Amino acid sequence: GESVGLHLPTLSVQEGDNSIINCAYSNSASDYFIWYKQESGKGPQFIIDIRSNMDKRQGQRVTVLLNKTVKHLSLQIAATQPGDSAVYFCAEIYTDKLIFGTGTRLQVFP
Amino acid sequence: EADIYQTPRYLVIGTGKKITLECSQTMGHDKMYWYQQDPGMELHLIHYSYGVNSTEKGDLSSESTVSRIRTEHFPLTLESARPSHTSQYLCASSAGQNYGYTFGSGTRLTVV
Repeated sequence: GESVGLHLPTLSVQEGDNSIINCAYSNSASDYFIWYKQESGKGPQFIIDIRSNMDKRQGQRVTVLLNKTVKHLSLQIAATQPGDSAVYFCAEIYTDKLIFGTGTRLQVFP
Repeated sequence: EADIYQTPRYLVIGTGKKITLECSQTMGHDKMYWYQQDPGMELHLIHYSYGVNSTEKGDLSSESTVSRIRTEHFPLTLESARPSHTSQYLCASSAGQNYGYTFGSGTRLTVV
């Protein structure tokens, strides 16, 4: 199949803590994965991507981990801030189409 | 700074009306896409185009149609709007499979 799914619909974290958002994908032929952040009333915004020949990629305060053996993707946000509150989607590119998962809402409380 | 523009941002329209949602990008991307998204849900691909005069239906069946007469323009049309069409419509473009997608801000459509 071509489905991409997320394990948790809502994640609540305290400001300053690290956040981990998980994602499972089912298409083993996908070779490019992207994490998007979507704030209310806006379109998805690119956060970080990773290709299937990599296990880990780091950006500013964000890290993406890819485990191809179990078809699992995760997004780690360090020192979570109130501005990180949003819905996060993982997506895979398969046959030149971007396939999205359900999304995880990240809530940051003081 | 958006390089892909959608208009209108919000639209409330009566049942049976014909509407066109506009999407334009200034990046010269050949590939463009339309997604439909209900609140808090995932994005579903409804149409895509790989270039001028190329249009394909996406994974989610939709009563809308699209056209691609110019590289930068990819409008979506509903011939007869119904309440079931109420949703957010997001346009995106890409330089290719190994590149990311850039999204517009979306059009939130309400059919009453």
